[in-house]
Amino acid sequence: KNQVEQSPQSLIILEGKNCTLQCNYTVSPFSNLRWYKQDTGRGPVSLTIMTFSENTKSNGRYTATLDADTKQSSLHITASQLSDSASYICVVSDRSGGSYIPTFGRGTSLIVHP
Amino acid sequence: NAGVTQTPKFQVLKTGQSMTLQCAQDMNHNSMYWYRQDPGMGLRLIYYSASEGTTDKGEVPNGYNVSRLNKREFSLRLESAAPSQTSVYFCASTAMSYNEQFFGPGTRLTVL
Repeated sequence: KNQVEQSPQSLIILEGKNCTLQCNYTVSPFSNLRWYKQDTGRGPVSLTIMTFSENTKSNGRYTATLDADTKQSSLHITASQLSDSASYICVVSDRSGGSYIPTFGRGTSLIVHP
Repeated sequence: NAGVTQTPKFQVLKTGQSMTLQCAQDMNHNSMYWYRQDPGMGLRLIYYSASEGTTDKGEVPNGYNVSRLNKREFSLRLESAAPSQTSVYFCASTAMSYNEQFFGPGTRLTVL
């Protein structure tokens, strides 16, 4: 069964500090990996998407890395802001019968304190 | 563009009642999805439609039915609601199945 595990479950940091969130997956055949940000009471919004051949991708202060050999990804947030407080979800898609089926991690809840 | 819209935003049902959650997208996307999100759980796929005219079961399809009415609209129906279906429901769409998913704002459903 495809699985996506995220750590830590929750994280509290001070404004201005950096942090790294982890994602391990067992999804086959691998198609792509996405990181989403979900604010409380809202739908998830995509931050980055990476395919098998991509090792790193940035979106402003967010940088995602992918190691397809070890099946691990990380999301690094630089110079955190209060608005970064949200749930960050790792999503890995496989390809089954011509359609791409996503498997969601449970998310890391990030709280940024002033 | 409104993106992905969902109605209603909130709904309270009694056990055994039926209802349909509506979803529409104006981005000309081929694929549409229905998810549920419960506290402490990741988003779980209920049903998806890879293209107009096709639907397939996801991880948790029991108790639900879907209709891909046209390319824009994808509805989710609860025929006989149960308390276990209390959840937040999200609709999403993608231009091609592996591209970025765009999510709607969600429907918060409570079944008493």
